[in-house]
Amino acid sequence: NAGVMQNPRHLVRRRGQEARLRCSPMKGHSHVYWYRQLPEEGLKFMVYLQKENIIDESGMPKERFSAEFPKEGPSILRIQQVVRGDSAAYFCASSLSRTGGYTFGSGTRLTVV
Amino acid sequence: DAKTTQPPSMDCAEGRAANLPCNHSTISGNEYVYWYRQIHSQGPQYIIHGLKNNETNEMASLIITEDRKSSTLILPHATLRDTAVYYCIVRVTNFGNEKLTFGTGTRLTIIP
Repeated sequence: NAGVMQNPRHLVRRRGQEARLRCSPMKGHSHVYWYRQLPEEGLKFMVYLQKENIIDESGMPKERFSAEFPKEGPSILRIQQVVRGDSAAYFCASSLSRTGGYTFGSGTRLTVV
Repeated sequence: DAKTTQPPSMDCAEGRAANLPCNHSTISGNEYVYWYRQIHSQGPQYIIHGLKNNETNEMASLIITEDRKSSTLILPHATLRDTAVYYCIVRVTNFGNEKLTFGTGTRLTIIP
């Protein structure tokens, strides 16, 4: 059973471009969470989705960031018009239920140049 | 979620037990204590969680004090691969509180 798969592992974007980060949860998991980790800091919650629904987006920046988890396919975290401050590691996690332990992916390291 | 306090760093000799403390003096009755670790910028790895009884699994033991204001994660025979940042998190497990609030954790270094 494959774990949580994130791709790409590394992503380089120029300022103003769009970044798309993908997350395939573990098989059977319908709850997906996105976290961001800035250099030398702890992880910060961004958004919690359950198939086709955003349940909690209290950690998402108000502009340029969006997330989806369609009925078919991976969850996508989309960052429009990236800026240098968006450079970070973005981790996705999935769980079988909303109260269970998470399984995290290996992350996508976004670098904005 | 309640705040937690952990020492910023600790060392432990290889083969010895590593005891990582966590204070959560404002924990509520319905909040669980979770432990995760992050090895060198990989994704965090779940270790163990508990409510009020001590817990043990193949990775570690969790000792929660009777008043639940503090806990200790025990790695019984630390190896070099246990070098990581360890996060203690308290969290309710009811609807609307699914997110984890990570602090700065304890950077554990296992010394050969």
